[in-house]
Amino acid sequence: EAGVVQSPRYKIIEKKQPVAFWCNPISGHNTLYWYLQNLGQGPELLIRYENEEAVDDSQLPKDRFSAERLKGVDSTLKIQPAELGDSAVYLCASSSRRAGVNTGELFFGEGSRLTVL
Amino acid sequence: GQQVMQIPQYQHVQEGEDFTTYCNSSTTLSNIQWYKQRPGGHPVFLIQLVKSGEVKKQKRLTFQFGEAKKNSSLHITATQTTDVGTYFCAGGGNQFYFGTGTSLTVIP
Repeated sequence: EAGVVQSPRYKIIEKKQPVAFWCNPISGHNTLYWYLQNLGQGPELLIRYENEEAVDDSQLPKDRFSAERLKGVDSTLKIQPAELGDSAVYLCASSSRRAGVNTGELFFGEGSRLTVL
Repeated sequence: GQQVMQIPQYQHVQEGEDFTTYCNSSTTLSNIQWYKQRPGGHPVFLIQLVKSGEVKKQKRLTFQFGEAKKNSSLHITATQTTDVGTYFCAGGGNQFYFGTGTSLTVIP
């Protein structure tokens, strides 16, 4: 079974430039998460999708960050414009959900490491 | 928002020594999960605890969930170099707020 796939693995951009990250969750997983992880810290939730619906985006800086999950499968996270402080690893994770209950573990992708110069 | 703190932040042990990390939440948790992240890697699920006072074991790893469901611990017996990494707890129902992590270094 293929795991969570993310791209690109690494991205270096100048500040004020746009950047986009893509995530393909495990087949059949209807819950998708985007996390931000700074060096030496735990993952911080940015947004959670149940199918195509964003059910928790309270931590997403909406002035510059946007996300979408069209058709409830792949997801894209965009930053426009990027700032120096956005340098971090952006992790995508997925999990399965039955009858409204999260069945357990989060499966993480390898992450997309962003460096903003 | 929900706060999940872990102590210690760093732990250096001699190979063969035991290791424990503690996780504390400001609110009652419906469940708690533990993850391990190797240097340069991504978090990998270890276990989930759901019941108050629950204890689970995986070989040399012992996980506990507090009676009040506000704290948890991970204990590793006789550490090995393969145990190196950062251990995170993640609490909550749907969102899984991650703790601050404990970075374990094992000295051969």
